[in-house]
Amino acid sequence: DGGITQSPKYLFRKEGQNVTLSCEQNLNHDAMYWYRQDPGQGLRLIYYSQIVNDFQKGDIAEGYSVSREKKESFPLTVTSAQKNPTAFYLCASSISAGSHNEQFFGPGTRLTVL
Amino acid sequence: AQTVTQSQPEMSVQEAETVTLSCTYDTSESNYYLFWYKQPPSRQMILVIRQEAYKQQNATENRFSVNFQKAAKSFSLKISDSQLGDTAMYFCAFMKSDLNAGNNRKLIWGLGTSLGVNP
Repeated sequence: DGGITQSPKYLFRKEGQNVTLSCEQNLNHDAMYWYRQDPGQGLRLIYYSQIVNDFQKGDIAEGYSVSREKKESFPLTVTSAQKNPTAFYLCASSISAGSHNEQFFGPGTRLTVL
Repeated sequence: AQTVTQSQPEMSVQEAETVTLSCTYDTSESNYYLFWYKQPPSRQMILVIRQEAYKQQNATENRFSVNFQKAAKSFSLKISDSQLGDTAMYFCAFMKSDLNAGNNRKLIWGLGTSLGVNP
């Protein structure tokens, strides 16, 4: 079945540690996105990538980094510079970054900083 | 800047009844896209329905339909014959149709409406 997978589902991190969240898609989509979801807030865009080896900052990129070495994969690293990293992280993809294209979402990763 | 407002943080409906979730947005653009996404307790985000602003006809997907009022910048979602599985957070989202690259293509999200369907 085609879809987006995110792993792990739950992740715990000690303060000061970097951690990488995985996102893989087998939909052959060009565009991929990372969102952060906090209680009482809508989704906020962290980074997005329109094509392999290219990515752009979203609204809240500080303290995060990404790579897009393969079409299928768009990992997100939460660095120690991110002041409040505890949140639910959603990865999404779309056929292209064109506005008429639906974004498909993964099941999410819940990150908790201890 | 575009904004999306969902004025109802929580709503409830009896099973088999109809409920309408409201969404308003602010934009100076003439062409854009509007979306309703559903996030059930599993937290998997699922597209419910999509509306293109240049189309006057309201979008419909089975029990889900929208009332799109472009002049009023309103995009409400109507759920008919509500089912227990409709219990979820519902998010309204906006996207410009600008073909320029960059953050102009990002989805702008409302804060969501938590809908509970009661048996």
